Amino acid sequence: DIVMTQSPLSLPVTPGEPASISCRSSQSLLRSDGYNYLDWYLQKPGQSPQLLIYLGSSRASGVPDRFSGSASGTDFTLKISRVEAEDVGIYYCMQALQTPITFGQGTRLEIK
Amino acid sequence: EVQLVESGGYLVQPGGSLRLSCAASGFTSSTHWMNWVRQAPGKGLEWVASIKLDGSKIYYVDSVKGRFTISRDHAENSVFLQMNSLRAEDTAVYFCPKSSRGAYDDWGQGTLVTVSS
Repeated sequence: DIVMTQSPLSLPVTPGEPASISCRSSQSLLRSDGYNYLDWYLQKPGQSPQLLIYLGSSRASGVPDRFSGSASGTDFTLKISRVEAEDVGIYYCMQALQTPITFGQGTRLEIK
Repeated sequence: EVQLVESGGYLVQPGGSLRLSCAASGFTSSTHWMNWVRQAPGKGLEWVASIKLDGSKIYYVDSVKGRFTISRDHAENSVFLQMNSLRAEDTAVYFCPKSSRGAYDDWGQGTLVTVSS
């Protein structure tokens, strides 16, 4: 199974400041079509998860452009250029390359 | 607009059975996949099962193999999860997200399954 490891697990951020979450996979998520099968999700308090980033760096429909995803080998990063109050919640990375599909432990972003 | 509505969650005793339903609307492409993902109370997300909507491929996490069965009804545009031999560790909110190119792009509100005596 592919193990997904996120850091940090808790992330206090001042509004307007940038934030970064890392996710490392235990093996390459690069498929033969040239894409990394790595997604990012945000679960806001009391809500279902929502897709933010797919295929490593593509923003989902309706996601603000302050969110961006990048990849370097088996290291993936979600960046928020300027955190807003509505960004609080738990962020998960997920590998969709092979079953079992696996998620990271989650990173809780809170506002300072 | 895509809508996914899960139902069927309930309080059931260990060893019991439940059938979860997921009513989908707003899309019909057989190239999509439908999935079940669960979240135990206060815990993270765990993938449970996936089915390609043309029925050609089905996958399960090891912990539910032989106990859970995912299926779909094209006519009703619904997906189901038959859950047998339920255990306390199956207690969770169950979601049925739709996926395209591996990404779970639409989620329902979830349905709570509680396994307890």
